[in-house]
Amino acid sequence: SSELTQDPAVSVALGQTVRITCQGDSLRSYYASWYQQKPGQAPVLVIYGKNNRPSGIPDRFSGSSSGNTASLTITGAQAEDEADYYCNSRDSSGNPYYVFGTGTKVTVL
Amino acid sequence: QVQLVQSGAEVKKPGSSVKVSCKASGGTFSSYAISWVRQAPGQGLEWMGGIIPIFGTANYAQKFQGRVTITADESTSTAYMELSSLRSEDTAVYYCARDGLYCTGGVCYYYFDYWGQGTLVTVSS
Repeated sequence: SSELTQDPAVSVALGQTVRITCQGDSLRSYYASWYQQKPGQAPVLVIYGKNNRPSGIPDRFSGSSSGNTASLTITGAQAEDEADYYCNSRDSSGNPYYVFGTGTKVTVL
Repeated sequence: QVQLVQSGAEVKKPGSSVKVSCKASGGTFSSYAISWVRQAPGQGLEWMGGIIPIFGTANYAQKFQGRVTITADESTSTAYMELSSLRSEDTAVYYCARDGLYCTGGVCYYYFDYWGQGTLVTVSS
């Protein structure tokens, strides 16, 4: 089955830019989606597809993809962006399965 | 606005089963797949399986094959996840999520756009 690998943790100064990456073979075939999860809360979709934001998600969140790597960028990070972030994609087998990334803890300094 | 409301917390003995429900409102229940995702304490998200209510057939992650059963009742817009032969490692928060699907220019995007609030299942003797 597919695997998606993320850096465990990154930190960013308030107002600066941070990029979170997600690597895996399935990303050569499928776009990633990205989820923000704060402690004790359900995940929230922040980016899907090529670079689509659901209604209500600030435009400081953006997504990109190249080869086997997907990226989520937060431009001008705010204190409320401190959270865990997970990528997700369909499984590369072609079956209707999904796989989540290992998760990245973002700390805003 | 779509809402997914899950059943309450459960405490189960090892070897027993648990059935968690997920009631949808505000959208067309039958046309969208519902997935189940779990999160053990301090761990990441793990996809368990999903079902498209209008078709009724479920798909399961290999890890859970034979232990999990996902069903849906279109008449009540409710999806269910039953996990059997529980062990302590199954202690986790279980989420249901709606599978969004958007296709354009021959490319489809897959994502989970709405989530339930989560159900804590504790397995302890």
